[in-house]
Amino acid sequence: GQQLNQSPQSMFIQEGEDVSMNCTSSSIFNTWLWYKQDPGEGPVLLIALYKAGELTSNGRLTAQFGITRKDSFLNISASIPSDVGIYFCAGRSRGAGSYQLTFGKGTKLSVIP
Amino acid sequence: DAGVIQSPRHEVTEMGQEVTLRCKPISGHDYLFWYRQTMMRGLELLIYFNNNVPIDDSGMPEDRFSAKMPNASFSTLKIQPSEPRDSAVYFCASSHTTVGMETQYFGPGTRLLVL
Repeated sequence: GQQLNQSPQSMFIQEGEDVSMNCTSSSIFNTWLWYKQDPGEGPVLLIALYKAGELTSNGRLTAQFGITRKDSFLNISASIPSDVGIYFCAGRSRGAGSYQLTFGKGTKLSVIP
Repeated sequence: DAGVIQSPRHEVTEMGQEVTLRCKPISGHDYLFWYRQTMMRGLELLIYFNNNVPIDDSGMPEDRFSAKMPNASFSTLKIQPSEPRDSAVYFCASSHTTVGMETQYFGPGTRLLVL
């Protein structure tokens, strides 16, 4: 089946630093999404990308849909303590009637005040 | 909007017992998804419904798992009999075609522990 490789698996950063994480796939996706999961909660959608090359921002978050359709990255600028959590990428490939999302294993972010 | 509601939030049961997880999707959403999350396998889609009809149940691990959606505002995921390897967090999510059904809204999850 399809797999998403998300990296890094975890990262520790100082408050105020910028963060970058990415997802790669051996398959083409036509939609990329980024979610954040806080401890004890469900994933919350941060950004959705629908077109190759698309660059979308949501506050301090910026995500891009790779030109090859096989990758995406998420940047967080000027990190703050509430950015702590697990960030998941998810992709959807075009398939007849299929609306399945494939999720990465997540990047666990820790912010040191 | 209250968001996706799941119950119970936590469930501890013994091997062999029946477990029923419940979900109320966001009002007006026409897609409902059941996921399982474990450390080893991450988030896995079990089954999804469109307009209360099961569309793809290929992720359901085995016959011990079943899901129903009797109406637009309620769905259940049942495990009978439960086994220790079923211990995981089970999420329900919903979405609506008009806003892009890939944009799924997750509930808080049910943490299941089977002893």
